[in-house]
Amino acid sequence: DGGITQSPKYLFRKEGQNVTLSCEQNLNHDAMYWYRQDPGQGLRLIYYSQIVNDFQKGDIAEGYSVSREKKESFPLTVTSAQKNPTAFYLCASSTRPGTGTHFTDTQYFGPGTRLTVL
Amino acid sequence: RKEVEQDPGPFNVPEGATVAFNCTYSNSASQSFFWYRQDCRKEPKLLMSVYSSGNEDGRFTAQLNRASQYISLLIRDSKLSDSATYLCALYNFNKFYFGSGTKLNVKP
Repeated sequence: DGGITQSPKYLFRKEGQNVTLSCEQNLNHDAMYWYRQDPGQGLRLIYYSQIVNDFQKGDIAEGYSVSREKKESFPLTVTSAQKNPTAFYLCASSTRPGTGTHFTDTQYFGPGTRLTVL
Repeated sequence: RKEVEQDPGPFNVPEGATVAFNCTYSNSASQSFFWYRQDCRKEPKLLMSVYSSGNEDGRFTAQLNRASQYISLLIRDSKLSDSATYLCALYNFNKFYFGSGTKLNVKP
């Protein structure tokens, strides 16, 4: 069963704590992405990775960190420096640009993690 | 200026109605276009890609107008189950850009 999984589904964090959100895909996609969605808002890009051991900052990277040690995995750490971390976090993947059928294959999303800071 | 802009709605329509959403984009070099559907508190799911020649999938038709830099989604014979938020998206230089979504409410 191919797809993207994210865990946990719900996460509660105390102020000052770092937390790590998991994202795993078995679609053999090269590119992976992290977005944040606030209520009634669109998706904002946090970080993305086109290939293993390489990643770039998105529009709102401050207070977040990522790693890409394996093709299948792209974990996101929400650090204590992130001032307003309560949000819905979505991980996505796609084929690497130029390698898919069109300019890029479609982006597919995991089910998301809802993070709440207590 | 945002890469992608959408009317947030909500669009309130009766069952059986035809409804259309537009989405404008600012970068004429944008390469690929998509419509996603997002249900409340769920992840976006791909509805359809948008091809230059336009494409249709059942009751859904997507169009791309490069000259005026917009894409559209037409839903015919609306069902109650079509109630959701519809996000347009485009791909440009290694990144996807999403509109903030248009909310559709289909009423009995």
